[in-house]
Amino acid sequence: DAGVIQSPRHEVTEMGQEVTLRCKPISGHNSLFWYRQTMMRGLELLIYFNNNVPIDDSGMPEDRFSAKMPNASFSTLKIQPSEPRDSAVYFCASSLLLAGNTIYFGEGSWLTVV
Amino acid sequence: DQQVKQNSPSLSVQEGRISILNCDYTNSMFDYFLWYKKYPAEGPTFLISISSIKDKNEDGRFTVFLNKSAKHLSLHIVPSQPGDSAVYFCAASGTGNNRKLIWGLGTSLAVNP
Repeated sequence: DAGVIQSPRHEVTEMGQEVTLRCKPISGHNSLFWYRQTMMRGLELLIYFNNNVPIDDSGMPEDRFSAKMPNASFSTLKIQPSEPRDSAVYFCASSLLLAGNTIYFGEGSWLTVV
Repeated sequence: DQQVKQNSPSLSVQEGRISILNCDYTNSMFDYFLWYKKYPAEGPTFLISISSIKDKNEDGRFTVFLNKSAKHLSLHIVPSQPGDSAVYFCAASGTGNNRKLIWGLGTSLAVNP
């Protein structure tokens, strides 16, 4: 079975540019999570969706960040405009809500904003 | 404030010996705990979990112990292998509307041959 698929794996962009990260959750999963990992703050939950509906976006750092889930098999995390402090690894994860709290991560998108 | 704390940023163990990774939490409403392992350049992978109704869960070389009164859990790896070298994250969640996972900052384990 395919796991959570993220793209791009690596992105280097200039400050001020728009960045779009994409995620395909595991088929059949109904919860999707966007995390950011940095050395200082570890794994931070940015936003999560249940059945395509955003449930908790309290972790989204600022208005420059937005996330959408137009259907059960696709989500995007957008940063506009990007800043150097946004450089981090962004993970997408999914789970089947009723199967406990175990979530399954993608391999991450490594973002560098210069 | 960190609700889930992994106070040891790193740990070094000899191959074949026991690795013990610790995790403390502050929220008594947490009732489900998980350990994840993360290799460089990969996403975290689920390792083992425990519900608050248990005090021990074992899966092969990995055992998680939960001490609810002390709000403490630990992950034991016996025997440790070089392939276990990774960052280990502890996570906790509650029930109902409080199912969001809260993560520790991780402990980097090095198993030396």
